[in-house]
Amino acid sequence: DTAVSQTPKYLVTQMGNDKSIKCEQNLGHDTMYWYKQDSKKFLKIMFSYNNKELIINETVPNRFSPKSPDKAHLNLHINSLELGDSAVYFCASSPVEGFVEQYFGPGTRLTVT
Amino acid sequence: GDSVTQMEGPVTLSEEAFLTINCTYTATGYPSLFWYVQYPGEGLQLLLKATKADDKGSNKGFEATYRKETTSFHLEKGSVQVSDSAVYFCALSNRGSTLGRLYFGRGTQLTVWP
Repeated sequence: DTAVSQTPKYLVTQMGNDKSIKCEQNLGHDTMYWYKQDSKKFLKIMFSYNNKELIINETVPNRFSPKSPDKAHLNLHINSLELGDSAVYFCASSPVEGFVEQYFGPGTRLTVT
Repeated sequence: GDSVTQMEGPVTLSEEAFLTINCTYTATGYPSLFWYVQYPGEGLQLLLKATKADDKGSNKGFEATYRKETTSFHLEKGSVQVSDSAVYFCALSNRGSTLGRLYFGRGTQLTVWP
């Protein structure tokens, strides 16, 4: 019973392509997040949604667009991929907004060639 | 603004050695503090947490005490095992900042040799 799942686990694509990463949580949580982890393991928050409403939108290129069809899903669509987009992308969820722990998915390793 | 600073790695230890990974924070108000662990090829898992000053979080032999006077939340383990090899992240969440946001340190790579 995977709590937070992501697909695909690995994604290799060429520059200029458009790709999507899907995230689903079965924990009944209200809030979901996308993080980017670079090659030095630094984690940077990208987006946060609460009950399908965008809460946090960090300074990321507008080529990145999150979509939340329902509160259990938060997908990340990336247009016109660039070499610098290569990273591991993590989805996470938490039960409510506020200072509670977050539960992370296994990550999607994106490689742009 | 809110931030977390943790000691740079990598940290390399022999099995059964004592581990300390330092973490200090800057925040207004009374944040909650967390340690997350990332095993190779996996996502982050919550290791332990503390929600108020002088609280001690503990799990799997790891401990950390929330010290408001020194704004610290150092991670310790008395006897590490090879299976503890991972990246450890200190993090805080603050009701006063954007709700739900976790501020992470840069991570500390721990390698334990048999």
